[in-house]
Amino acid sequence: ETGVTQSPTHLIKTRGQQVTLRCSSQSGHNTVSWYQQALGQGPQFIFQYYREEENGRGNFPPRFSGLQFPNYSSELNVNALELDDSALYLCASSLAGQGPYNEQFFGPGTRLTVL
Amino acid sequence: LAKTTQPISMDSYEGQEVNITCSHNNIATNDYITWYQQFPSQGPRFIIQGYKTKVTNEVASLFIPADRKSSTLSLPRVSLSDTAVYYCLVGVNQAGTALIFGKGTTLSVSS
Repeated sequence: ETGVTQSPTHLIKTRGQQVTLRCSSQSGHNTVSWYQQALGQGPQFIFQYYREEENGRGNFPPRFSGLQFPNYSSELNVNALELDDSALYLCASSLAGQGPYNEQFFGPGTRLTVL
Repeated sequence: LAKTTQPISMDSYEGQEVNITCSHNNIATNDYITWYQQFPSQGPRFIIQGYKTKVTNEVASLFIPADRKSSTLSLPRVSLSDTAVYYCLVGVNQAGTALIFGKGTTLSVSS
């Protein structure tokens, strides 16, 4: 069973640029969630994708967008980068409809630094 | 969504039992209590989940009193490798639901 993988591991961008982060979900999982974790804080929910549709969104502006592909992998896109976007971006996969069990499996994250 | 309150940090020594308490006064009837563990530079990892009374697995125990307004994560005989941040989450137990994290409790285990 393959776990959740994310790429790249680290990324450095400058303010105003755009970035795309990628996530491959765990085998058999059909739901992908993205979280932003600033230094010293807990992860904050950005949005979730299920069957290639956005299925919930946290308090993040529209310049944070995403995609989910037929193989359930996902991308997080951030436009017009700001210094405060510097954080660890985590992807988590789960299996919707699995039943009364909400365990999400997290990848190692992508460390984004905005200069 | 119910808010949670837990200590910012805790210190322990190897071999001791560690109990981390989380307060969730506004927990709803359909909410479950879930604990995640996060090591530096890694994503969080599910530890244990419960609704009421006591749950035990190979890693930890979770104690939930009858009023469910708090819960206690118990780690038996901690080791240095248990040094991590522990998050208490409260929410509906439905696959795919967004997880709402607080700041967590940083546990430091010393030899």
